[in-house]
Amino acid sequence: DGGITQSPKYLFRKEGQNVTLSCEQNLNHDAMYWYRQDPGQGLRLIYYSQIVNDFQKGDIAEGYSVSREKKESFPLTVTSAQKNPTAFYLCASSLTGASSTDTQYFGPGTRLTVL
Amino acid sequence: KNEVEQSPQNLTAQEGEFITINCSYSVGISALHWLQQHPGGGIVSLFMLSSGKKKHGRLIATINIQEKHSSLHITASHPRDSAVYICAVRSSNQFYFGTGTSLTVIP
Repeated sequence: DGGITQSPKYLFRKEGQNVTLSCEQNLNHDAMYWYRQDPGQGLRLIYYSQIVNDFQKGDIAEGYSVSREKKESFPLTVTSAQKNPTAFYLCASSLTGASSTDTQYFGPGTRLTVL
Repeated sequence: KNEVEQSPQNLTAQEGEFITINCSYSVGISALHWLQQHPGGGIVSLFMLSSGKKKHGRLIATINIQEKHSSLHITASHPRDSAVYICAVRSSNQFYFGTGTSLTVIP
């Protein structure tokens, strides 16, 4: 089955710890995205990547880091510098990222709670 | 101010009712998307529109580019339609998302 997988579904972390969220896709998409969703707010873009070994900051990149060493994988690290990391994190991918007709496909999400 | 505004924020309907969710946006767009998010959190794309109207089963989406407005209609609503419906627009290379409309359909 083609799709996007995120793991884990639920993640708990202590304050001051870094944590890495996994995102994998087998859709052969070039572009991948990380969003954060908070209650009462729309999805906000953290980072995106349109090609392997390249990525760009989104609107709220501070306290986060990413890598794109493989086309299929776009892990997100939430660092201890992120002041309010408790949120629902969604990964998405699209065919090219540059076409106006691109549709984004979303993973099931990871709910991160900082204790 | 958000680039994308949705109304209503919350909506409760009886099974069988006709439902309309509205989306207004303030930026120039190349496409508008309607997304559905179920309680578990996963998001599914329902429609992508750049003009006119699209229909898929009981769902209909329309867009008026001049008025910068889109509507999502659900005919003969069913409890399984209960979800959060999110409007998103693509402007340049960026997506902007509404805060979502939470729909509950009561049997």
